[in-house]
Amino acid sequence: GNSVTQMEGPVTLSEEAFLTINCTYTATGYPSLFWYVQYPGEGLQLLLKATKADDKGSNKGFEATYRKETTSFHLEKGSVQVSDSAVYFCALTQATNAGKSTFGDGTTLTVKP
Amino acid sequence: SAVISQKPSRDICQRGTSLTIQCQVDSQVTMMFWYRQQPGQSLTLIATANQGSEATYESGFVIDKFPISRPNLTFSTLTVSNMSPEDSSIYLCCWRTGANEQFFGPGTRLTVL
Repeated sequence: GNSVTQMEGPVTLSEEAFLTINCTYTATGYPSLFWYVQYPGEGLQLLLKATKADDKGSNKGFEATYRKETTSFHLEKGSVQVSDSAVYFCALTQATNAGKSTFGDGTTLTVKP
Repeated sequence: SAVISQKPSRDICQRGTSLTIQCQVDSQVTMMFWYRQQPGQSLTLIATANQGSEATYESGFVIDKFPISRPNLTFSTLTVSNMSPEDSSIYLCCWRTGANEQFFGPGTRLTVL
């Protein structure tokens, strides 16, 4: 079956540091890949997505590139802010699996001023 | 994109009772899902809420424990029946676009004593 493996957290960074959260996946075919963010006390929000190999999703300074050869979709941001503190979830959705999504375990990011 | 609201936002319930969670979308959507997020964990799909027919449950979830209604394309309910402390979780509804993007409600935080 499908699976998503995320870098274990928690991750603690200082403001303006570079962020990488690793995500690798296992799936047949060509799933769509997503990053969701969950701020404290809130539901999940879609952060960015990529639907085919070599696509780059970007939003709010975050980026992730769909790498088919390494089955990865690592999340990066060049300069994090305190307001980026949240839990980040990598996910895949595959049309051949009735459109169901598989989520990673989430990575908690804390950014200190 | 359609906006989702959930009621209640949180509740504290006694063991053995039931709670019905409502999910309202401000426009018609085809695909709606219910997820559970246990403390510190990722999302687990409970079921797909099908409009006008019985929900499709994932392995480990049954209709008697989690009855779901979907009377129209904008509304769904999830009932957590005969609750135990192990049911303490955040329950999230979401809808999915044709591009497989998922939009989540704010969640219902349930504590069972």
